[in-house]
Amino acid sequence: AQTVTQSQPEMSVQEAETVTLSCTYDTSESDYYLFWYKQPPSRQMILVIRQEAYKQQNATENRFSVNFQKAAKSFSLKISDSQLGDAAMYFCALSGGSNYKLTFGKGTLLTVNP
Amino acid sequence: DTGVSQDPRHKITKRGQNVTFRCDPISEHNRLYWYRQTLGQGPEFLTYFQNEAQLEKSRLLSDRFSAERPKGSFSTLEIQRTEQGDSAMYLCASSWTANQPQHFGDGTRLSIL
Repeated sequence: AQTVTQSQPEMSVQEAETVTLSCTYDTSESDYYLFWYKQPPSRQMILVIRQEAYKQQNATENRFSVNFQKAAKSFSLKISDSQLGDAAMYFCALSGGSNYKLTFGKGTLLTVNP
Repeated sequence: DTGVSQDPRHKITKRGQNVTFRCDPISEHNRLYWYRQTLGQGPEFLTYFQNEAQLEKSRLLSDRFSAERPKGSFSTLEIQRTEQGDSAMYLCASSWTANQPQHFGDGTRLSIL
């Protein structure tokens, strides 16, 4: 079974500052992928960033980067130069196995203060 | 690329009624997934299709739920004899292959009176 744990129900950050969202996971698969998805209120789930477990190099997408610690089964998201539009629920997710279904954490609600 | 489309956006129905939702995946995506999201929780996997074949169903999917994907294109999710506990957001996602990212639709929010 796969599990994903997000221990921060809510986080807040000042505009232009940096914030880190935490995620730990567990899986018995050797081949798996990790994701961060963003879900603004009443809006579509959007992919933020993706990490292949076999890659040691941390993924980056513009202001978004991850710290992937495979041995510790940790996958945190860093948002630099936070913008008001970054405010949303952020979900950490894991996929692997024969079906590649996504297993999600409970989410972290990020507030960006002007 | 028009994205994943779901219809309707909202559905309000009385307990005991049947409801059907539709999902149109991104063109040429052969994998299609259904998830259910309740308030304050992350989405939970329900079922998935590779082309027209339904390959896995979660134990969350009771016998009142049925999903189809005729001809490997759009998919429908039907709930028979709805119950209060069925109130949730039903999300559809598609991907080109197994290990490619899943793209989500806007979801269908079901409310049971």
